[in-house]
Amino acid sequence: LAKTTQPISMDSYEGQEVNITCSHNNIATNDYITWYQQFPSQGPRFIIQGYKTKVTNEVASLFIPADRKSSTLSLPRVSLSDTAVYYCLVGEGDTDKLIFGTGTRLQVFP
Amino acid sequence: EPEVTQTPSHQVTQMGQEVILRCVPISNHLYFYWYRQILGQKVEFLVSFYNNEISEKSEIFDDQFSVERPDGSNFTLKIRSTKLEDSAMYFCASSPFTSGGVENIQYFGAGTRLSVL
Repeated sequence: LAKTTQPISMDSYEGQEVNITCSHNNIATNDYITWYQQFPSQGPRFIIQGYKTKVTNEVASLFIPADRKSSTLSLPRVSLSDTAVYYCLVGEGDTDKLIFGTGTRLQVFP
Repeated sequence: EPEVTQTPSHQVTQMGQEVILRCVPISNHLYFYWYRQILGQKVEFLVSFYNNEISEKSEIFDDQFSVERPDGSNFTLKIRSTKLEDSAMYFCASSPFTSGGVENIQYFGAGTRLSVL
């Protein structure tokens, strides 16, 4: 059973780059790593997914080292609107359910 | 951009009453899910649904709960005889495919806040 560990909270200032690292020591060979963002009273929103090395889209980058036991979500030049909870998820074997942890609460200050 | 829509946004009910939460998944998606989030807690999986049947359910999803896809567009969660502890945000999600966690990108609705009084 893959589990993830993330920092409970992080603070940043507008315009800074934020890196949130997630540990997943028991990730399975065929598991992808997926990050979601959640604002208060809203549903989780898909940010990015990757399997290995680096993935980049219009909102974030995801760095995955060769051993895949961790991953880092990178948010460039955060703004106040990036204040949210960020969840790192990995697959759960043959199941299709998503297992959410407690996530990382990012607070961006002006 | 296509999105998952949920109605109502807020449902208030009396303890013991039945409620039906409604969801319209993204049109070309095949897999549907319900999750709940009690205030201040984690998002918890309830049930997944594919090809008109439940594919997986959690221990939370007992006989009090049922899901249905009554037509080609709606996906509903019925909660019978609601209890105070059923008060939570209920999120519907859909995905185009699933492969056991690999590339399983689920798209969530905005949720229905259920308040049981």
